[in-house]
Amino acid sequence: DIQMTQSPSTLSASVGDRVTITCRTSQSISKWLAWYQQKPGKAPKVLIYESSTLESAVPSRFSGSGSGTEFTLTISSLQPDDSATYYCQQYNAYNPTFGGGTKVEIK
Amino acid sequence: EVHLVESGGGLVQPGGSLRLSCAVSRSSLSTLIIGWVRRAPGKGLEWVSTISGIDGATYYADSVEGRFTISRDNSRNTVYLQMNSLTAEDTAIYYCTKEGYTSARCGAFDIWGQGTMVTVSS
Repeated sequence: DIQMTQSPSTLSASVGDRVTITCRTSQSISKWLAWYQQKPGKAPKVLIYESSTLESAVPSRFSGSGSGTEFTLTISSLQPDDSATYYCQQYNAYNPTFGGGTKVEIK
Repeated sequence: EVHLVESGGGLVQPGGSLRLSCAVSRSSLSTLIIGWVRRAPGKGLEWVSTISGIDGATYYADSVEGRFTISRDNSRNTVYLQMNSLTAEDTAIYYCTKEGYTSARCGAFDIWGQGTMVTVSS
């Protein structure tokens, strides 16, 4: 299985801050990476797929980049509604695997 | 837009069995690929299993291979997850998901159900 290393595991930032989350894979997955947001008591919601394509209706402050083994999710200006846990997921090959998650807290 | 509704969760003793259902609406299951993803308390997301409504191909995580069986009934537009030999490590919220993006080998998920809780405890 492809191993996913996501960092940091938690971060605390202020409204308006630029926030970056990193996901590294144990082998190259080309562009086949998705990012999800999950809030307490809710199902995950896809934000980005194919590393950098924004899902429809997702605010443009979210962006994704990377290819191969290193990927980033950036929130350009953190908003109170962005308090959540974020996961990366590779879908280059079975089994699809998720990163351990990053909990984003608002200071 | 496709809508997914899970049911069948509950409390079961270790070694017991449970069958989860995922009712698919607003699209025909025969055109979709549906998966199950779980989240154990205090842990992250874990993919469990996937079935193609198109050709019936099935895939399983190593942690459930041989114990869980995914199946579909296209006439009822429903996907099932039969879970046997359950242990405490299977305690989790189980989400039914639709594969919306693919690398042609594997997929990511664009639609999720609300989840159903499975608790394995004596």
